[in-house]
Amino acid sequence: NAGVTQTPKFQVLKTGQSMTLQCAQDMNHNSMYWYRQDPGMGLRLIYYSASEGTTDKGEVPNGYNVSRLNKREFSLRLESAAPSQTSVYFCASSDPSGSTDTQYFGPGTRLTVL
Amino acid sequence: QQQVKQSPQSLIVQKGGISIINCAYENTAFDYFPWYQQFPGKGPALLIAIRPDVSEKKEGRFTISFNKSAKQFSLHIMDSQPGDSATYFCAAMKSSTLGRLYFGRGTQLTVWP
Repeated sequence: NAGVTQTPKFQVLKTGQSMTLQCAQDMNHNSMYWYRQDPGMGLRLIYYSASEGTTDKGEVPNGYNVSRLNKREFSLRLESAAPSQTSVYFCASSDPSGSTDTQYFGPGTRLTVL
Repeated sequence: QQQVKQSPQSLIVQKGGISIINCAYENTAFDYFPWYQQFPGKGPALLIAIRPDVSEKKEGRFTISFNKSAKQFSLHIMDSQPGDSATYFCAAMKSSTLGRLYFGRGTQLTVWP
């Protein structure tokens, strides 16, 4: 099993450009999450999806949109990138209905907005 | 408002020493408290977790101590090794909120050989 995969690994954008970060999991998990990690700020939840077809805002949703394409895939879109969105983005998945609340994280996408 | 407060921000320990990282929370509805370990360039990975029905959980050299009345929990790393050098995050969650984890800001641990 690959677990949680993310593409791309690195990306540089100019202010105003758009892009989509892709995430996929092969653990048959119902719930998926997008976090951003900034120095000294820990991990902050952007959006999450409790199940296929549902999405909800997290702590820092402004400037982002998400799509839960199917049970495996959860994408994060930046419509008009800003320098403040320079960060490392992590996707995670979990199965809250199972015996554990563990969230499994992908390797991250390092995004720089110039 | 930060839901989980973590200290210290950085920690330097000699090989063989004990590393201690502390966290505090406000929301008494939280009922799951995991610690995640993150190496440079990697995603966080679950290290150990505890639920409030026990005061301590030990897995190898890693121990969580939980104080429900004080709303505090801590990670103890015994016999710290250079390979333990990483960033550690505490987190808290209310199980009924379908996995919404609230993270502390992280502690960068360096273990000197």
